[in-house]
Amino acid sequence: AQTVTQSQPEMSVQEAETVTLSCTYDTSESDYYLFWYKQPPSRQMILVIRQEAYKQQNATENRFSVNFQKAAKSFSLKISDSQLGDAAMYFCAYRRSGYALNFGKGTSLLVTP
Amino acid sequence: GAVVSQHPSWVICKSGTSVKIECRSLDFQATTMFWYRQFPKQSLMLMATSNEGSKATYEQGVEKDKFLINHASLTLSTLTVTSAHPEDSSFYICSAERGGSGGTGELFFGEGSRLTVL
Repeated sequence: AQTVTQSQPEMSVQEAETVTLSCTYDTSESDYYLFWYKQPPSRQMILVIRQEAYKQQNATENRFSVNFQKAAKSFSLKISDSQLGDAAMYFCAYRRSGYALNFGKGTSLLVTP
Repeated sequence: GAVVSQHPSWVICKSGTSVKIECRSLDFQATTMFWYRQFPKQSLMLMATSNEGSKATYEQGVEKDKFLINHASLTLSTLTVTSAHPEDSSFYICSAERGGSGGTGELFFGEGSRLTVL
């Protein structure tokens, strides 16, 4: 079974600063997808960024980027120029095609002015 | 983008009654839908996988007779909580896989349904 581990239950960052959220996973598969989702108080799941395992290049989406280390099974999320609206719960997730998303326990991000 | 609509967004019911939650893909056909449950301050836990026209596959520990899932069409899956009890109070959220999504691996989420059983 695949497991996703987020070792930081809570993180705090000052507005305009950079923060990195950690995620590791365990799998014996070579072809899979990794995701970071944001869940604000509304509880709507919002896709932040996606990475295909076969791609060596790290995905980026504006202020959000990942550091994907396939051999180490690590998938961290970096948020640059943090904004108050970034405050939310962030979930790292793993998925193989045709199967469900497998989520980590989440990291609560607090952004201070 | 792909839109998934979930209804109702919140529901309160009495203990012993049944509640139905609908999950619709509005602008695409969803060959597979997944149902998750999320308790406060916890992660999303997969309950079952729903494939159109076939029986749902339930995760270990999820009672299939209590959580009835029907996926009768390519755009609609329903979750019925039968004989609900206070411990079933939770946030239920569905996600759908678009057929022929081009290998993006992305799932599209409904808004979720908050169930409170009195």
